[in-house]
Amino acid sequence: QVHLQESGPGLVKPSQTLSLTCNVSGGSMNSGSFYWTWIRQPAGKGLEWIGRIYGHGNTNYNTSLKSRVTISLDTSRNQFSLRLTSVTAADTALYYCARSHSGNLHADSWGRGTLVTVSA
Amino acid sequence: FMLTQPHSVSESPGKTVTISCTRSSGSIANNFVHWYQQRPGSAPTTVMFEDAQRPSGVPDRFSGSIDSSSNSASLIISGLKTEDEADYYCQSYDDDNHWVFGGGTKLTVL
Repeated sequence: QVHLQESGPGLVKPSQTLSLTCNVSGGSMNSGSFYWTWIRQPAGKGLEWIGRIYGHGNTNYNTSLKSRVTISLDTSRNQFSLRLTSVTAADTALYYCARSHSGNLHADSWGRGTLVTVSA
Repeated sequence: FMLTQPHSVSESPGKTVTISCTRSSGSIANNFVHWYQQRPGSAPTTVMFEDAQRPSGVPDRFSGSIDSSSNSASLIISGLKTEDEADYYCQSYDDDNHWVFGGGTKLTVL
């Protein structure tokens, strides 16, 4: 059973860069059957897809965040990462990493989420 | 495109409730619809995938369907239990495989 765990700073200053890592255990990240995905959820609001990475580093990003987002992959350490630049209070949210199937784009495993607050 | 869900639904224990998810443009049948349940303080978990497939461990009280005439997907929960009280999100994707989530529906079992 694959397990995902997010980690990173819980507080980021406005205009700075948010950086999170997702550690993956119990499964190989080298399988072409899966995409490695970031999703966020502001408090009391719905889910927003941020983007994904797959294969040898292919990425797709939410159009609304594309200019500020980078997702990277380190299969040797069984982890993938999120960088979001020039953050504002609107980026305050619970950030989830998830594994999704390449065939049907369904997220079958999620981390517990990590809260990131953007504040001076 | 957007996926539109009712903000909230409520029903009594033992009854049946249907949560809809309407696609704004393009056919609902073009891309799979998945459904996630999110209880307070927890990450989402799948209750339905590929429109109408139920993951192992999800009771058969949960079912899914799509309706091309209304361009919508539905999650149907029968024999409601208090433990079903949660937020439910539909999710699909566009032709670029970018994900789209519905706004979520709060289910109250009263």
